[in-house]
Amino acid sequence: DAKTTQPPSMDCAEGRAANLPCNHSTISGNEYVYWYRQIHSQGPQYIIHGLKNNETNEMASLIITEDRKSSTLILPHATLRDTAVYYCIVNYLHGSSNTGKLIFGQGTTLQVKP
Amino acid sequence: NAGVTQTPKFRVLKTGQSMTLLCAQDMNHEYMYWYRQDPGMGLRLIHYSVGEGTTAKGEVPDGYNVSRLKKQNFLLGLESAAPSQTSVYFCASRRTGVGTGANVLTFGAGSRLTVL
Repeated sequence: DAKTTQPPSMDCAEGRAANLPCNHSTISGNEYVYWYRQIHSQGPQYIIHGLKNNETNEMASLIITEDRKSSTLILPHATLRDTAVYYCIVNYLHGSSNTGKLIFGQGTTLQVKP
Repeated sequence: NAGVTQTPKFRVLKTGQSMTLLCAQDMNHEYMYWYRQDPGMGLRLIHYSVGEGTTAKGEVPDGYNVSRLKKQNFLLGLESAAPSQTSVYFCASRRTGVGTGANVLTFGAGSRLTVL
C-alpha cells in the first residue's frame, strides 16, 4: 500500500504558484520523500526528493515539515505544460533492505488553467 | 543517450496468446522494474530486478513472468494473455549504491497492450 495521502485533484491559475500537499504520517527516520509527475500518456518524470531539509532545483521546491509527517511540492510559476498527475512517494535511500521499490499511489491531478 | 526504451509501443492480442515486452536501458543501471497502469489508477509494480540474473515479485505479479539475462534488458512475458491484462506497461531503471541520485527512477515511454 502507498504510504502517502494526496488530494485527488487541484486547480491552479497559470503563472501562479502551485502548492501540492502530501501526508506521510508513518514515514520512518531514514525514508526520503520523492516527487514524480506524469504528463498524459507519458512515462513518469522525476522532479525532486528530500529527507528533512527543504530542497530546490530548477523544476520545483520541496518543503518538508519539521516532524516530517507532511510535505509540499511547490511549482513557483505554473504553466499549462505543468498539467499532470503528481506522485508523492516515500522510500529508503540506503541500506541493504533498499530494493528501490517505489510504490505509487493515485497522485494528485493538477490542472493549470489559463 | 536513449535512456530506457520499450518495445513494442502498441500491441493487440487475442485472449490466450503470448507475448513479450522488451525493456532496454543504456545507463548501466543495476535495478529495473515493470509497472502497469490502468485508467484512473496509479502505477502498480509487477516485477523487479536488482541485477543481472535476478528477479522478484512486486504488488501484482500473477499472470506475468520476467527475465533479466543481460544487465541492460528486462523482459516481461505474458504466457496466456487475458483481457484483465489490458493496460499500459512502463519499464523503469535506476542505479544502485549510495548518493542522493541512487533512488531516482528513469522511465520508458510505455507500451500499450490491448487483449481482446
